[in-house]
Amino acid sequence: QKEVEQDPGPLSVPEGAIVSLNCTYSNSAFQYFMWYRQYSRKGPELLMYTYSSGNKEDGRFTAQVDKSSKYISLFIRDSQPSDSATYLCATLILTGGGNKLTFGTGTQLKVEL
Amino acid sequence: EAQVTQNPRYLITVTGKKLTVTCSQNMNHEYMSWYRQDPGLGLRQIYYSMNVEVTDKGDVPEGYKVSRKEKRNFPLILESPSPNQTSLYFCASSTRAAETQYFGPGTRLLVL
Repeated sequence: QKEVEQDPGPLSVPEGAIVSLNCTYSNSAFQYFMWYRQYSRKGPELLMYTYSSGNKEDGRFTAQVDKSSKYISLFIRDSQPSDSATYLCATLILTGGGNKLTFGTGTQLKVEL
Repeated sequence: EAQVTQNPRYLITVTGKKLTVTCSQNMNHEYMSWYRQDPGLGLRQIYYSMNVEVTDKGDVPEGYKVSRKEKRNFPLILESPSPNQTSLYFCASSTRAAETQYFGPGTRLLVL
């Protein structure tokens, strides 16, 4: 079993829709939870990260973590064609010897006009 | 402009021919790492470096070498490339805390 599981999609939605992207993780030691966005032929870029359970909002994006169920979500409101990309969830453990970042496989999103 | 650069961006080579992919960052970051990205497997860490002369294995280090002689540079070396190393490679850097990783543009490698 992978430490971080993510549905690969593809997910196709009409412009303006609310998008829900989800991941589950298995290691309760994970401390940080991130969402990266990766456009085609580009490197991933960090969208948001959160440390605790609950919601964190940034514009049209809301990251949600439920540590009790080991569930990570990213919601995109009023989705735009420019949101079409692959979204990667990631978890981080901070250790003295090296910080361990583990990625999900990514969900491909297409927002259509 | 703060950035991570990688060279080359595209590379076709043959089995056994040693190659080096360079990575450089201009943000004075302590932490650098290499990942490979494969369909269905996502991003997997190859090696990372906490600082100059400090490197350690990630999840898939076999067949790769790295060095960190300067803070800004972290080259990835394939001493004897094999076809199963055909992949998309990303270099990343961050502060020590690593909450925010800055990724390079990627190097697409094909080993024949």
